[in-house]
Amino acid sequence: EAEVAQSPRYKITEKSQAVAFWCDPISGHATLYWYRQILGQGPELLVQFQDESVVDDSQLPKDRFSAERLKGVDSTLKIQPAELGDSAMYLCASSSLAGAPRNTQYFGPGTRLTVL
Amino acid sequence: QKEVEQDPGPLSVPEGAIVSLNCTYSNSAFQYFMWYRQYSRKGPELLMYTYSSGNKEDGRFTAQVDKSSKYISLFIRDSQPSDSATYLCAMSPNDYKLSFGAGTTVTVRA
Repeated sequence: EAEVAQSPRYKITEKSQAVAFWCDPISGHATLYWYRQILGQGPELLVQFQDESVVDDSQLPKDRFSAERLKGVDSTLKIQPAELGDSAMYLCASSSLAGAPRNTQYFGPGTRLTVL
Repeated sequence: QKEVEQDPGPLSVPEGAIVSLNCTYSNSAFQYFMWYRQYSRKGPELLMYTYSSGNKEDGRFTAQVDKSSKYISLFIRDSQPSDSATYLCAMSPNDYKLSFGAGTTVTVRA
């Protein structure tokens, strides 16, 4: 069964350092999402891509976060500099208009970030 | 006030019991309603998907949506220890921008 891949699974960094997360969506899925899930809360959308274009980045803290999906396939989310409050699970999801139900979001296992 | 409210629990039930979970919401534009299950240290996986109001059943799982009350429910019959997880409700005015509840942690005791 096709899955969304994410790496690394765990990342520990010190504040003010740069971190990057990678996501490979299910093959053929044109839509890719990055979410942040703080412990005890539901996921919150950071950015949504349709192919290589950003559709929604209204909740992305653009002073320190950036995301790209250069070839419309895999994607990278970067934080620079990291702050203590960035400690969370970063989830990637993908979806397809051809899915059933349409646009069902499939999530990867996430990257657990700890900022010291 | 959050758009989607969900009691975080935790909820502990004996094996075989019915688990009842619910969410309330404030955005009347929500039309798509989902329940995701999230095991510890894993990503959420879709359990149930409902469009507009009504009931939907899938095996031991039943999802209910009451748009007039802005209230959705998930029932798990004959609960098993493998059902122990966090259950997240999610909803959307279209079929892609999801708003999640905080999740309810459920433990089914053998």
